[in-house]
Amino acid sequence: GENVEQHPSTLSVQEGDSAVIKCTYSDSASNYFPWYKQELGKRPQLIIDIRSNVGEKKDQRIAVTLNKTAKHFSLHITETQPEDSAVYFCAASKGSSYKLIFGSGTRLLVRP
Amino acid sequence: GAVVSQHPSWVICKSGTSVKIECRSLDFQATTMFWYRQFPKQSLMLMATSNEGSKATYEQGVEKDKFLINHASLTLSTLTVTSAHPEDSSFYICSAPGQAANTGELFFGEGSRLTVL
Repeated sequence: GENVEQHPSTLSVQEGDSAVIKCTYSDSASNYFPWYKQELGKRPQLIIDIRSNVGEKKDQRIAVTLNKTAKHFSLHITETQPEDSAVYFCAASKGSSYKLIFGSGTRLLVRP
Repeated sequence: GAVVSQHPSWVICKSGTSVKIECRSLDFQATTMFWYRQFPKQSLMLMATSNEGSKATYEQGVEKDKFLINHASLTLSTLTVTSAHPEDSSFYICSAPGQAANTGELFFGEGSRLTVL
């Protein structure tokens, strides 16, 4: 089955700096790659997603890149703000299954 | 967007008792729902896929007799933790695909925090 690995497990950046989180997946048939933000005790919130027919997608300060050949995708957050502090999860699924397999998560701390 | 609601949001029970968690799709129909479990500071681990009108599909290592799933209607799936023990204490989250065709996006419930004493 699919296996998703995520790095780093923790990331501390200064406010205004950029943050990058990387994930790799094992199943070449996976074609949907969302990123979720989860605050303590809350449900995961989708922040951006990308499909395998696209190499990059951007939404204001957030961007995701996908390298299908290497089977890895990354989340880029620019101009980080303290409210970006949370745990971020990448995930992957294939076809129309909607069955998401999550990475291990990255705890992002943005220092004021 | 689609709304998924869970109940209860938190529950405390004694060891050996059973606990039922409900997951509802409020403004759409969901033939499939997913149940995840999240231990503190860990990731969301898929437990099972709940299928309306048929048996749930469990992930490897998840005991189907311990985690009973029922999906009797297009808007409701329930997870029953039977004979709960302290090691079952966790955050249980359900999710469902929205109605937008083949977007892949899952909508999550608020989660249910189970504490077994």
